[in-house]
Amino acid sequence: EAQVTQNPRYLITVTGKKLTVTCSQNMNHEYMSWYRQDPGLGLRQIYYSMNVEVTDKGDVPEGYKVSRKEKRNFPLILESPSPNQTSLYFCASSLSRGAGSPLHFGNGTRLTVT
Amino acid sequence: DQQVKQNSPSLSVQEGRISILNCDYTNSMFDYFLWYKKYPAEGPTFLISISSIKDKNEDGRFTVFLNKSAKHLSLHIVPSQPGDSAVYFCAAGTSYGKLTFGQGTILTVHP
Repeated sequence: EAQVTQNPRYLITVTGKKLTVTCSQNMNHEYMSWYRQDPGLGLRQIYYSMNVEVTDKGDVPEGYKVSRKEKRNFPLILESPSPNQTSLYFCASSLSRGAGSPLHFGNGTRLTVT
Repeated sequence: DQQVKQNSPSLSVQEGRISILNCDYTNSMFDYFLWYKKYPAEGPTFLISISSIKDKNEDGRFTVFLNKSAKHLSLHIVPSQPGDSAVYFCAAGTSYGKLTFGQGTILTVHP
């Protein structure tokens, strides 16, 4: 089954403790991206990647890191999480770089930073 | 600066009637516009899209209209069904990969 898989689904952590949210897709998609969803703000793009070893900042990249060493994986790294990073995170992928290529989303990771 | 805005946080309609969801944007560089639907505890799923060279696109009960001069797009659902109850996000994107979403509109379709 074609899908985007994020892990974990739920995560509670403390300020400053490094964490990684994994994302994997099995559709051989070139483009991958991370979003956060917050009430009243919709989905905001954190980072995106056009292809392996190519990443770029989205609208809210501060406090996050990403890497794209393999085509299928695009982990999101929070080196020193803070409470304002408490949010619902979505990973997504699409066949090509163009915005007209629809995104396939994972089911989300709800992160709480205390 | 919110480049894509959905000014109605919620919309309630009766089953069988038309649902119209609206979206405004400010950036003339956007090439494509898309609508996504999101159910609770799931990721958004793609619904329908339109490129900037068109003004209308239909897919079954869903039609998207684009008014470039007004920088406005809308999603029409006819007829609305209870299963359409979800959060709807409009999104606008450029050819180099940047995609910007609106805040979302909660649609409730009453039986």
